[in-house]
Amino acid sequence: EAELEESGGGLVQSGGSLRLSCTASGFPLNNYNMNWVRQTPGKGLEWLAYVNFNGRTIKYADSVRGRFSISRDNAKNSVFLQMNSLRNDDSAMYYCVREGTITSRMDVWGQGTTVTVSS
Amino acid sequence: DIQMTQSPSSLSASVGDRVTITCRASQAVRNSLAWFQQKPGTAPKLLLYDVSNLQNGVPSRFSGSGSGTDFTLTITSLRPEDFATYYCQHYSNFPPTFGQGTTVEV
Repeated sequence: EAELEESGGGLVQSGGSLRLSCTASGFPLNNYNMNWVRQTPGKGLEWLAYVNFNGRTIKYADSVRGRFSISRDNAKNSVFLQMNSLRNDDSAMYYCVREGTITSRMDVWGQGTTVTVSS
Repeated sequence: DIQMTQSPSSLSASVGDRVTITCRASQAVRNSLAWFQQKPGTAPKLLLYDVSNLQNGVPSRFSGSGSGTDFTLTITSLRPEDFATYYCQHYSNFPPTFGQGTTVEV
């Protein structure tokens, strides 16, 4: 069964940094494009970043471009989200999400990791 | 960015009811439209993709329809485990965006 597990969330001060990790199991990560999505009660679900299967194509939401960086290490079955210059409104549940192979549907989600930014 | 607008924001229903949720995109998204179900404390779960294709393991009482900018999620004969929040999402281009959610409650 395909699974994703996020880690690295926590409490950080405004202006600080965090690195989220996502470990994949049950499927060959190197065949799949991956995303990070976050969720807050106020703004709902928000896509943040995309990396294609080999890491050569990366996309970001305007809200995080220049502050967040997505990367992957297929040999370690892992995807990462480096978050810098964190702001209060970055507080959210962060999900690692797999994209399907035939269409770009988001078919497998991790359980999420919580990031809280305090001022 | 393409804006996704769901209606209603919430609805009250009973077990056995037929439930319909609509999703409107601010511009055409072809057939790149998915529906998710989310229960409290859990991640969203993919129900349907490409408008009307059921994800593996999803019961056939869930169905999707629509084209262009207007889409519908239908749940025939609501079951107790279907009380949840439902989201539509387009993936026709970047950035993919989500609707604000529709909560189906008792």
